[in-house]
Amino acid sequence: DAGITQSPRHKVTETGTPVTLRCHQTENHRYMYWYRQDPGHGLRLIHYSYGVKDTDKGEVSDGYSVSRSKTEDFLLTLESATSSQTSVYFCASRQDVDYEQYFGPGTRLTVT
Amino acid sequence: RKEVEQDPGPFNVPEGATVAFNCTYSNSASQSFFWYRQDCRKEPKLLMSVYSSGNEDGRFTAQLNRASQYISLLIRDSKLSDSATYLCVVNPPGYQLIWGAGTKLIIKP
Repeated sequence: DAGITQSPRHKVTETGTPVTLRCHQTENHRYMYWYRQDPGHGLRLIHYSYGVKDTDKGEVSDGYSVSRSKTEDFLLTLESATSSQTSVYFCASRQDVDYEQYFGPGTRLTVT
Repeated sequence: RKEVEQDPGPFNVPEGATVAFNCTYSNSASQSFFWYRQDCRKEPKLLMSVYSSGNEDGRFTAQLNRASQYISLLIRDSKLSDSATYLCVVNPPGYQLIWGAGTKLIIKP
């Protein structure tokens, strides 16, 4: 398995607070992704990165920002958390555009 | 029309039976295809890539039909441990993968 870790694994936070989730990969993969997964919706792409400091929006990017200052780290920030952002967040990476993605273990975020 | 469509199931199948899933995709320029497996409350994991000529890995067979724009997964001699959600994934030109919502499989003793 690819070495992808996420932190924290679980977090409970209050509405209106900023939250940052971290994804770290040791595979030197160029591409990294943040998804959220909710019942009935499957995986939905939030943001992705195609290189250091190169990022773009996915289908559900509102209320989220990302940063990638190093190949191995991809940060997801919820600028002001809302209850609708309660979800499971998965980070993924892949070597190149024709290759499969490998996932981290996920972060369960609850916004109260 | 969704870009990738799967029957959500659940498929309730007795142990030892053969089960097949189909997945349709809309972008005819898609280059590569995958099946992932996701256990409850876990991350998706690659089950197998899908090649144009079809491919087999033990009890699992994947096929691609470009003309009709669908991929399939066949599981033979199903085991209790095969119970999971199976995700169809399509790779169109560009950086993103397009994910189906998944098909839930329940294998019963």
